[in-house]
Amino acid sequence: QVQLQESGPGLVKPSQTLSLTCTVSGGSISSGSYYWSWIRQPAGKGLEWIGRIYTSGSTNYNPSLKSRVTISVDTSKNQFSLKLSSVTAADTAVYYCARGAEYSSSWAFDYWGQGTLVTVSS
Amino acid sequence: AIQMTQSPSSLSASVGDRVTITCRASQGIRNDLGWYQQKPGKAPKLLIYAASSLQSGVPSRFSGSGSGTDFTLTISSLQPEDFATYYCLQDYNYAFTFGGGTKVEIK
Repeated sequence: QVQLQESGPGLVKPSQTLSLTCTVSGGSISSGSYYWSWIRQPAGKGLEWIGRIYTSGSTNYNPSLKSRVTISVDTSKNQFSLKLSSVTAADTAVYYCARGAEYSSSWAFDYWGQGTLVTVSS
Repeated sequence: AIQMTQSPSSLSASVGDRVTITCRASQGIRNDLGWYQQKPGKAPKLLIYAASSLQSGVPSRFSGSGSGTDFTLTISSLQPEDFATYYCLQDYNYAFTFGGGTKVEIK
């Protein structure tokens, strides 16, 4: 059973860089045709896709965040990471990591982390 | 970027009711759409992929339909555990987008 777990600081100061790591267990991050994504959700609001990475290192980002986002993968640690620069209070949210898998030529997020709250405040 | 317009944003229904939620894409996305259920304080859960395929372990009262720009999630007989928020997600291109969500509440 694949499990994902987010980790990182729960409080980040404005203008600084938010850094989170997702640790994958129950399977190798580099096996199979999967991509690994970050998704966030401000309190009481909807879901926003941030970006994804394949284990090849290829990435895609939400155009609205692209200038501030970097997603990387460390296959030796079975982890992938998110960096979001120049944060403001608008970046306060629960951040989820998730696995994307191919289903019938479509893709879907079939495994999710439990989510971690990141607050941007001085 | 493809916009996903989900409706209604909320609805009240009773146990046993048939519930329908729709998502409309701003351009054609073939059948590259999934539906997710989220309960308070929990991560979303995949219900439907490729517009109409039921994820393993999901009750058969959930069904999805549609192609192109218009999609529907139907719950044939609402159960107490189905009260939650539902989201559609398009995965047609490299910039995925979620619908705004539909909160299903108890009438």
